Amino acid sequence: KQEVTQIPAALSVPEGENLVLNCSFTDSAIYNLQWFRQDPGKGLTSLLLIQSSQREQTSGRLNASLDKSSGRSTLYIAASQPGDSATYLCAVSSQGGKLIFGQGTELSVKP
Amino acid sequence: DVKVTQSSRYLVKRTGEKVFLECVQDMDHENMFWYRQDPGLGLRLIYFSYDVKMKEKGDIPEGYSVSREKKERFSLILESASTNQTSMYLCASRTLKDEQYFGPGTRLTVT
Repeated sequence: KQEVTQIPAALSVPEGENLVLNCSFTDSAIYNLQWFRQDPGKGLTSLLLIQSSQREQTSGRLNASLDKSSGRSTLYIAASQPGDSATYLCAVSSQGGKLIFGQGTELSVKP
Repeated sequence: DVKVTQSSRYLVKRTGEKVFLECVQDMDHENMFWYRQDPGLGLRLIYFSYDVKMKEKGDIPEGYSVSREKKERFSLILESASTNQTSMYLCASRTLKDEQYFGPGTRLTVT
């Protein structure tokens, strides 16, 4: 059974710092991996999707990498801003599009 | 842009009531999903649908049913609401590139 783990559970950094969020999964037979952002009380916003054949994806200050063989993904956020404060979730997709989610990392960027 | 809407942001119902949560997407996607999100348990898949009138059980279907009469609309039904169904309910739609987009969520309280 696929399990997804995100470490750390919470992270607090000063504004301007570069940071890395980690995601690991137990079964490397995934179709893709998706990173989401969730603000308190809101739905999920898709940030990046990495197909299983890809190694990384970039969008603005965000860069996500995928290493299927080791069961790991990282989300790199450059020059963090207070507006980046949110919970970040990773999810892996199995056949049929079912997503298995990690518990998330709650990020706080302090001015 | 993909748009997924949910009928209510907040809902309060009494135990035993029949509850309908509706989700609409505007991109002609075939695949739609219902999740619930609870503190400490993360997001869990309740039901999903590959096409009109098709439905599949997710990981926690007990106490729920679904309806997909039209491609754009996927309804989650609580036949007899119970207090343990108090939760945040999130609907998602999947693109051809396998990316999932989420609605804003419905926070349901059953008293």
